[in-house]
Amino acid sequence: NAGVTQTPKFRILKIGQSMTLQCTQDMNHNYMYWYRQDPGMGLKLIYYSVGAGITDKGEVPNGYNVSRSTTEDFPLRLELAAPSQTSVYFCASRDPGTGRETQYFGPGTRLLVL
Amino acid sequence: GESVGLHLPTLSVQEGDNSIINCAYSNSASDYFIWYKQESGKGPQFIIDIRSNMDKRQGQRVTVLLNKTVKHLSLQIAATQPGDSAVYFCAENKGGNEKLTFGTGTRLTIIP
Repeated sequence: NAGVTQTPKFRILKIGQSMTLQCTQDMNHNYMYWYRQDPGMGLKLIYYSVGAGITDKGEVPNGYNVSRSTTEDFPLRLELAAPSQTSVYFCASRDPGTGRETQYFGPGTRLLVL
Repeated sequence: GESVGLHLPTLSVQEGDNSIINCAYSNSASDYFIWYKQESGKGPQFIIDIRSNMDKRQGQRVTVLLNKTVKHLSLQIAATQPGDSAVYFCAENKGGNEKLTFGTGTRLTIIP
């Protein structure tokens, strides 16, 4: 299994541009998450999904959108990029059937908005 | 509000020594705790977990201790190696909730 994969690894956006951060997992996990991590800080939850067709807001959802059409994919959309969205974005997944709440993370996407 | 926090933001340890990273939590209903390791430029990596019905759990060179009386969690790393240099996060979960609550992290530096 490749686990959780994210693309791109790094991106520079101009203010007002839009982009989609891709996240795919091949572990058949129902739960998926998007976090952002600012320099020297912890993880803040943006959106999460407990299954295909179901999404919910996390702690910092403003400026982002998500969709979950398949179990494998959970893309994160930035519509109008702002400098405050400069951060590292991590996708994670979890299998609720194991009885363990452990989330498994991708390698991250580093985003710079200028 | 409910939160998970860390006592020390940075910790430097001589190579070969043992290190202890601490974490305090305030939600007495939390019943599952995880330690993650995050190396520079990488995503968080699962290290070890523990449920609230346990006081101690051991892995390879790592031990997690849980003191529910004082709501304290610690990660012990034995015989530290240069590869242990990273930021360590604790996370907690209450009753199978979909979400984890993460602490801010402790940066561990191993001195050669």
